[in-house]
Amino acid sequence: AQKVTQAQTEISVVEKEDVTLDCVYETRDTTYYLFWYKQPPSGELVFLIRRNSFDEQNEISGRYSWNFQKSTSSFNFTITASQVVDSAVYFCALSERPAGGYNKLIFGAGTRLAVHP
Amino acid sequence: DTEVTQTPKHLVMGMTNKKSLKCEQHMGHRAMYWYKQKAKKPPELMFVYSYEKLSINESVPSRFSPECPNSSLLNLHLHALQPEDSALYLCASSQGSGKDTQYFGPGTRLTVL
Repeated sequence: AQKVTQAQTEISVVEKEDVTLDCVYETRDTTYYLFWYKQPPSGELVFLIRRNSFDEQNEISGRYSWNFQKSTSSFNFTITASQVVDSAVYFCALSERPAGGYNKLIFGAGTRLAVHP
Repeated sequence: DTEVTQTPKHLVMGMTNKKSLKCEQHMGHRAMYWYKQKAKKPPELMFVYSYEKLSINESVPSRFSPECPNSSLLNLHLHALQPEDSALYLCASSQGSGKDTQYFGPGTRLTVL
């Protein structure tokens, strides 16, 4: 069965600290996709990154970076020099085998990040 | 442009009311999704339309009725809801190859009295 685990329920940091959000997944598929979404208090899920199972290159986008390791089935997300605007709930998600022109996302429980001034 | 719009932003309804939620995208996406999200939980998939055909109904009660009038629009008709149906309802769309990113709208916060 496919599953995504975000073991950290809540993280609290002070501005400018670095913070890593963990994501561990389970799947039997050889082809799959991993995502991170941010959900600020306003409610909208904002897409951050998509990674396919054949691309293990780490990615950096400004203060955000992602570490994908198939050997440990992990797709961790690091925010460098955190800011108050980073306060949100972050969801890691796994895409099931595509069928019929759509995909089903398996979400982790989410990690609530609070960045304090 | 990766915008999905949803109306209304907030909705309060009684248990005997009939109301509709609307979702629109102009990205040429061919798959559209309805999710329900309770507080402090991840989104739960309700329905998927692919090329305007209902592809997934995740055993949702019949008081929720989806409709896809065309490839850009998705409605969710609500009737005889229960207070436990109060939640954030999110719409999403994706291109339609099955490998795509889902882009979400801002959601409708529904309160059932």
